[in-house]
Amino acid sequence: ETGVTQTPRHLVMGMTNKKSLKCEQHLGHNAMYWYKQSAKKPLELMFVYSLEERVENNSVPSRFSPECPNSSHLFLHLHTLQPEDSALYLCASSQDRRSLGYTFGSGTRLTVV
Amino acid sequence: GENVEQHPSTLSVQEGDSAVIKCTYSDSASNYFPWYKQELGKGPQLIIDIRSNVGEKKDQRIAVTLNKTAKHFSLHITETQPEDSAVYFCAASKPRNYGQNFVFGPGTRLSVLP
Repeated sequence: ETGVTQTPRHLVMGMTNKKSLKCEQHLGHNAMYWYKQSAKKPLELMFVYSLEERVENNSVPSRFSPECPNSSHLFLHLHTLQPEDSALYLCASSQDRRSLGYTFGSGTRLTVV
Repeated sequence: GENVEQHPSTLSVQEGDSAVIKCTYSDSASNYFPWYKQELGKGPQLIIDIRSNVGEKKDQRIAVTLNKTAKHFSLHITETQPEDSAVYFCAASKPRNYGQNFVFGPGTRLSVLP
């Protein structure tokens, strides 16, 4: 275990469903991230949360909605997804936004049917 | 913006041989270059990194070299072992007002054959 825990590990959902991905870290980090990993594509940053603010990739569709209730927990709420959203969703954390050391979770493998 | 290319996309070597993976980047302002290893069913794990003020860094069987002029950096694994089989990602980063912004390469699947 890396100290970053993601649940569930696998998720299959229909296009009309609403589901949430959860990420939890107990490393004392103050910044958390959502990345999307698709087959044969580079890791894509979706959202950044830190004590100060949220920074997002403007190309992320609104059907993905992040929530960060505190510095240890991060959620990704999903609704009306498309099949092309099927991917591995990775959560990462770092000491702060300027820290170079990222710790990744094992990811949630999402399949949209 | 930054663009990171990585070659080869797949690499097979015999156990005990060396493996080399090369990445190129486009933004000369990038100053930090990490390498991540992703094993099956796990997230990426940082294995080695290098900053732009250093040309080479070594950690046991793993080394990274950086050529700032040519804007490329490489991962070298010597005496490969089956447990080195994984997908390796390079990344380039430069500091921004909102913190680090990593751009990852597409990955190299390394297979070490016993």
